[in-house]
Amino acid sequence: EPEVTQTPSHQVTQMGQEVILRCVPISNHLYFYWYRQILGQKVEFLVSFYNNEISEKSEIFDDQFSVERPDGSNFTLKIRSTKLEDSAMYFCASTRQGKSSGNTIYFGEGSWLTVV
Amino acid sequence: AQSVTQLGSHVSVSEGALVLLRCNYSSSVPPYLFWYVQYPNQGLQLLLKYTTGATLVKGINGFEAEFKKSETSFHLTKPSAHMSDAAEYFCAANYNTDKLIFGTGTRLQVFP
Repeated sequence: EPEVTQTPSHQVTQMGQEVILRCVPISNHLYFYWYRQILGQKVEFLVSFYNNEISEKSEIFDDQFSVERPDGSNFTLKIRSTKLEDSAMYFCASTRQGKSSGNTIYFGEGSWLTVV
Repeated sequence: AQSVTQLGSHVSVSEGALVLLRCNYSSSVPPYLFWYVQYPNQGLQLLLKYTTGATLVKGINGFEAEFKKSETSFHLTKPSAHMSDAAEYFCAANYNTDKLIFGTGTRLQVFP
């Protein structure tokens, strides 16, 4: 069964460093997402991406964050200068159709980011 | 504001007992509704979803959920718990936007 894959599975970084989290969405999917889950808290939406541009973003997704689809397969989340509070599990997700379709959103296994 | 509420952050049942995990949504216009499961150190896996049509939805691993518009609820049930059901369960809703809104999750423990 096709799946969303994410790398790395776990990364430890120093505060202030840049981090890039990588994702390979399911191949025929058109809508891509990043969510995060701070330890012990709920899963929160960060950003959605369609047709090579951001279609929606949350308040969390400030200027320190950016997303990119550099080629036909990868979808990346960059955190420019990490803060302690960025420590979380980051989930990439994808789906074939976007809003209001009821389509299943498929999640990757997550990248656990620890900022020290 | 659009939201999803899961009553009970922890639920404990004995193996073989009924599992009931509660979820309520906030809108008078029903959203699309989903239940995801997260096993330890793993990602989110879809259990089932409600879009339109039959209000009783069957999912994987013997789980089912019933959409009740009058109660704005989408509770998840399983007639007989198994040890392997121990996990975190998230209810989520799509309110005609690009994003899923998640509840705070319910950790299910199953005792022998």
